[in-house]
Amino acid sequence: AQSVTQLGSHVSVSEGALVLLRCNYSSSVPPYLFWYVQYPNQGLQLLLKYTSAATLVKGINGFEAEFKKSETSFHLTKPSAHMSDAAEYFCAVTGNTGFQKLVFGTGTRLLVSP
Amino acid sequence: EAGVVQSPRYKIIEKKQPVAFWCNPISGHNTLYWYLQNLGQGPELLIRYENEEAVDDSQLPKDRFSAERLKGVDSTLKIQPAELGDSAVYLCASSLLAGGPPNEQFFGPGTRLTVL
Repeated sequence: AQSVTQLGSHVSVSEGALVLLRCNYSSSVPPYLFWYVQYPNQGLQLLLKYTSAATLVKGINGFEAEFKKSETSFHLTKPSAHMSDAAEYFCAVTGNTGFQKLVFGTGTRLLVSP
Repeated sequence: EAGVVQSPRYKIIEKKQPVAFWCNPISGHNTLYWYLQNLGQGPELLIRYENEEAVDDSQLPKDRFSAERLKGVDSTLKIQPAELGDSAVYLCASSLLAGGPPNEQFFGPGTRLTVL
């Protein structure tokens, strides 16, 4: 079985500051990990995914995440926040064997102030 | 390329009334998912279709929820009768394949249901 824990339901940063959204996972098999972003009244959009290739994954909009097996983490970062980054971010995990459902965390709302 | 289409976007009904949501996946995607997203929570899978077959409906409350994907393309999710606790966002997603390495799931904008 898989699960993810997202630390912090809300994260506030100033425009131009570093963004760090935390995600820790639990998986009984080697995991695939994803970050999705959800803007108000919209569906989820894939930011990036880890599928056992490079441990540092680059995504859209300047975001990246690093898979750390020893820490069971997949934290999302962006060097400089923009006002348009304000949204809800979800970490998700699935197993890499056959079909295993995508399990989402509870989400972190990113607030960006001028 | 058109994305996943869902309708209606918003629905307000009184409890005990029936309601239906419609989803049209991305063309060529044979796998379709329905998710439930409660306020402040991540999406939870209700049912997964591969073509017209429901291959995973273990999380679907079958006493009041039903779904169909008759021609393996668009799908309908129904609730009858609706309860207050059904107020949530219902998301539809699609992907090319469900087996093997996971393919990216593309999500629709969702239907926000309010039960009064």
